[in-house]
Parts: sequence; C-alpha cells; structure tokens
Amino acid sequence: KAGVTQTPRYLIKTRGQQVTLSCSPISGHRSVSWYQQTPGQGLQFLFEYFSETQRNKGNFPGRFSGRQFSNSRSEMNVSTLELGDSALYLCASSLVTGITGELFFGEGSRLTVL
Amino acid sequence: GNSVTQMEGPVTLSEEAFLTINCTYTATGYPSLFWYVQYPGEGLQLLLKATKADDKGSNKGFEATYRKETTSFHLEKGSVQVSDSAVYFCALSDRDGNQFYFGTGTSLTVIP
Repeated sequence: KAGVTQTPRYLIKTRGQQVTLSCSPISGHRSVSWYQQTPGQGLQFLFEYFSETQRNKGNFPGRFSGRQFSNSRSEMNVSTLELGDSALYLCASSLVTGITGELFFGEGSRLTVL
Repeated sequence: GNSVTQMEGPVTLSEEAFLTINCTYTATGYPSLFWYVQYPGEGLQLLLKATKADDKGSNKGFEATYRKETTSFHLEKGSVQVSDSAVYFCALSDRDGNQFYFGTGTSLTVIP
C-alpha cells in the first residue's frame, strides 16, 4: 500500500514569491494535516482537512492556506514568502480521527527561501 | 491549552546503554499520547502509543507508560543500538483526535 506522497521534495524560492505544495494521502484516508518543522520549533500544526473541510487551523498568518480535493489530495500554499518560511513541510494522513487515530507522515517538502 | 515538553537534546549514548527521554504534557481532558521517530531523511513514523492512564505502549524494545498523576510519558529502552539513532518526538492528540501537539524533538545518536 503506497504511503503518503509529497511533492516536490525540495524547492528553492526567493522572498516575495509564492509556493504550492502537494500531498497525496494513503488510499482511503480522508483526514490530511500539515505541519511545519524547523530545528528550533519542532513541529508546528498548520491545518487539518477532512472531507474537503478545514476543521482546525494552527497559529499561522493568512499567507498560509490550504485546500483538500474530493479525492482527499491536499495542497498548501504560502504566499509572499519570507526567509523564516524556510522549513520542512510535512503532510500526514489518517484513516480515522479520534482517540486512537494514528498519523502517517510523508517525507516532507523542504522549502528554502533566499 | 495543550502542550508537550520533552527533554532537550542532543543525546549521545554508547551501544547497549539504557535510554530515557523525558516527556511531560499539559492537556485538557484525557488525551492520547504518542512517540514518533524520524530517521535521517525520512518523515515521522509512529513508534508507540497509549490511549488511557496506566497504559503501556511498546514497540521494538521501546516502552512508555501513560502516567496521569505526573502527566508524563517517558520513553525508555534497555539497550540501544546504532540503528536507533534518530530524532524522537513526543506527542498528544486531543480527545477529538483532530489535532496533534508535538514536542520539539530529541536527537539521539548511538555510537558503537
């Protein structure tokens, strides 16, 4: 069974540009979450989607947005990039949410902003 | 609110040494607790979990017990191997399971 797939794996952008990252969850998983991972902050929750609806959002500015499609694939977008947006962006999918829900992570998209 | 605090790293141990990585949490209600591991160049993967007080999660020789009285979920392994070198994250999920909260991660290096 294929795992969570994230594309692209690596990308370099300059300040002010925008970027779109893609995530294909495990087949059958309807919940997709996004996290930002940086060395000093660990994993910071961005948002979570279930059946095309954003159910939770972390404490990030409006430049960070996302969406989920009917096939559960998800994209996140960051506009007007800043140097501090350089990070590993991780996507995770889940079959069910609830007290025993387990997150399955992709390998991440490493964004470098110059 | 919900939060997780885990011991600062990095941690360096010799092979076959005993490992403890401390994790404490703050949560409203009764969360589920998890340890995730991230090997170099990979995403996170679940190591073990516990869903209620006094539960013990175990996997690959690692163990952690959900201690409600001390709000802790410390990770232990009796004898580490070089292949255990990775970053370990403690996490909790709220009762709805819709949002996870992660610690900052503890880097472990095991030397032969």
